[in-house]
Amino acid sequence: AQTVTQSQPEMSVQEAETVTLSCTYDTSENNYYLFWYKQPPSRQMILVIRQEAYKQQNATENRFSVNFQKAAKSFSLKISDSQLGDTAMYFCAFMNPTGDTGANSKLTFGKGITLSVRP
Amino acid sequence: KAGVTQTPRYLIKTRGQQVTLSCSPISGHRSVSWYQQTPGQGLQFLFEYFSETQRNKGNFPGRFSGRQFSNSRSEMNVSTLELGDSALYLCASSQWGKTQYFGPGTRLLVL
Repeated sequence: AQTVTQSQPEMSVQEAETVTLSCTYDTSENNYYLFWYKQPPSRQMILVIRQEAYKQQNATENRFSVNFQKAAKSFSLKISDSQLGDTAMYFCAFMNPTGDTGANSKLTFGKGITLSVRP
Repeated sequence: KAGVTQTPRYLIKTRGQQVTLSCSPISGHRSVSWYQQTPGQGLQFLFEYFSETQRNKGNFPGRFSGRQFSNSRSEMNVSTLELGDSALYLCASSQWGKTQYFGPGTRLLVL
């Protein structure tokens, strides 16, 4: 079974600064996807960024980028130029698209980290 | 494209009752998954449906069930509600084995 660990329960950052959120995972699979989702106070779960394990290049989406270290099973999220709207809970998630029952979309989540952006 | 929709958004029930939640996926998405989110247990996978068949199931008691219709809309049912079933229930849709997109959730309170 896969596990996802987010060891920092809370972080705080000054507006316009950069912050990095950590995530480690454990799997014996070679083909998988990793995700960061954001959940603001509205509770809507929003996709931030996706990384395919077979791609060596780190994914980037505007101010969001990841540092994917496959051998170390580490997947951190960097938020540049932090904005007040980035205040939310951030979840790291793992998906094995070819699970025990064949193809699947099941996500395994970490416990999340609460990020506060200070004005 | 319209996003994932869930109804109702809020629900209050009493112990012993049953409840049905509904989820309409993004057009073209045939996979629907359900998750339970609580402060204590975090986000836990309930089940996944594809082409009207349950493909994956999480570690929940048989009181939790679901189904999917031919138009890919899905419902989940919880029978004999317990206080511990109070949670945010999230539905997500995707193409098979691809990125999941979430609905706004249904907040269930069991009194």
